[in-house]
Amino acid sequence: DADVTQTPRNRITKTGKRIMLECSQTKGHDRMYWYRQDPGLGLRLIYYSFDVKDINKGEISDGYSVSRQAQAKFSLSLESAIPNQTALYFCATSDSRTGRYGYTFGSGTRLTVV
Amino acid sequence: AQSVSQHNHHVILSEAASLELGCNYSYGGTVNLFWYVQYPGQHLQLLLKYFSGDPLVKGIKGFEAEFIKSKFSFNLRKPSVQWSDTAEYFCAVNARTGFQKLVFGTGTRLLVSP
Repeated sequence: DADVTQTPRNRITKTGKRIMLECSQTKGHDRMYWYRQDPGLGLRLIYYSFDVKDINKGEISDGYSVSRQAQAKFSLSLESAIPNQTALYFCATSDSRTGRYGYTFGSGTRLTVV
Repeated sequence: AQSVSQHNHHVILSEAASLELGCNYSYGGTVNLFWYVQYPGQHLQLLLKYFSGDPLVKGIKGFEAEFIKSKFSFNLRKPSVQWSDTAEYFCAVNARTGFQKLVFGTGTRLLVSP
């Protein structure tokens, strides 16, 4: 099994619909992140969580919300999807005890809003 | 705040050619440096990382990178590329202390022709 699992892998949804992207990890890491990737823009941070009770906005949080249900689970919601939220979304984890080994990424969720 | 610049957005090489991808960062403190690779349709994979010590680091698949502190650079190199190296490459940096937010460059898309 993958260390960081994202579901679904692909999703097409209509404008205005609510959608949730889920992420779970078996790494035992305390920190979790949601990024979106757009061509030519690299990866941009949406939200991050240091632990279950510590959630913070990243650089592009408007239109998104998150929930850290447990240390191992971090979900991203689009309350009312719009076409410019069409992107590749990545969940990642890191371990604050080391800070030395970068992040572990999930396989990504390709979201299309029509 | 950290920022990362990758100056080459698209690179086209023939097999066996040498590769160098530029990466410069801006940050006043001590950093960890990373190169990630994303093969078509896949998630991000760690190629190599630098934390401290020898500024020349070797990664997987014959890649290496050199940290030049005075130039705030961490360029990626490979002496002889293969068709299978076709991918997008991302340079990333995070601060050694405090919040480990990983900041990405915008990526370099490499196409290796057979």
